[in-house]
Amino acid sequence: KAGVTQTPRYLIKTRGQQVTLSCSPISGHRSVSWYQQTPGQGLQFLFEYFSETQRNKGNFPGRFSGRQFSNSRSEMNVSTLELGDSALYLCASRGTGTGINEQFFGPGTRLTVL
Amino acid sequence: AQSVAQPEDQVNVAEGNPLTVKCTYSVSGNPYLFWYVQYPNRGLQFLLKYITGDNLVKGSYGFEAEFNKSQTSFHLKKPSALVSDSALYFCAVRDEGGGNKLTFGTGTQLKVEL
Repeated sequence: KAGVTQTPRYLIKTRGQQVTLSCSPISGHRSVSWYQQTPGQGLQFLFEYFSETQRNKGNFPGRFSGRQFSNSRSEMNVSTLELGDSALYLCASRGTGTGINEQFFGPGTRLTVL
Repeated sequence: AQSVAQPEDQVNVAEGNPLTVKCTYSVSGNPYLFWYVQYPNRGLQFLLKYITGDNLVKGSYGFEAEFNKSQTSFHLKKPSALVSDSALYFCAVRDEGGGNKLTFGTGTQLKVEL
């Protein structure tokens, strides 16, 4: 099975712009979560989607939004970019079998805001 | 709210020696604990998880972890370290409210030297 894929892998934007990141989960996985990784704050949960519905949201401003499509692919959008939004954005997918299943992470999108 | 702590920013060990990366957790209910590893410019790779059952959990690449309820710890171990084990290791706990939100520790940089 192919792993979680994220596009693009690298992005450079300027302050005030907006950006959209894409994530394709492992085939058959319906849950997608997004995390932000920065040297200062570490790994922080952004949001989780399951069957096109946002199921959980982290403590981020409304500039951060996401959605999930019927094929489970997910996008996240950041509007009015700030310098502090520079980070590695990680997407993870999880299967929906019984028990507590681990999440599988993609390689991330490295966003640089200038 | 749940949390995990990784008290060591960096652990140095000689190749062939046993390694331990420490993690302690705080949850009010049953802990669902995970270890992930991150290599430079890569996403997170799942190593192992503790849900219930045996206190010694075996995972990928020869890693194991010992769950200790009385000490609220979940330390990652490997009997014989390899230079290729050098990476950033994260302990995580799943959100008690359900869903897939993970709360991560700050990470421990493992350096294995010849």
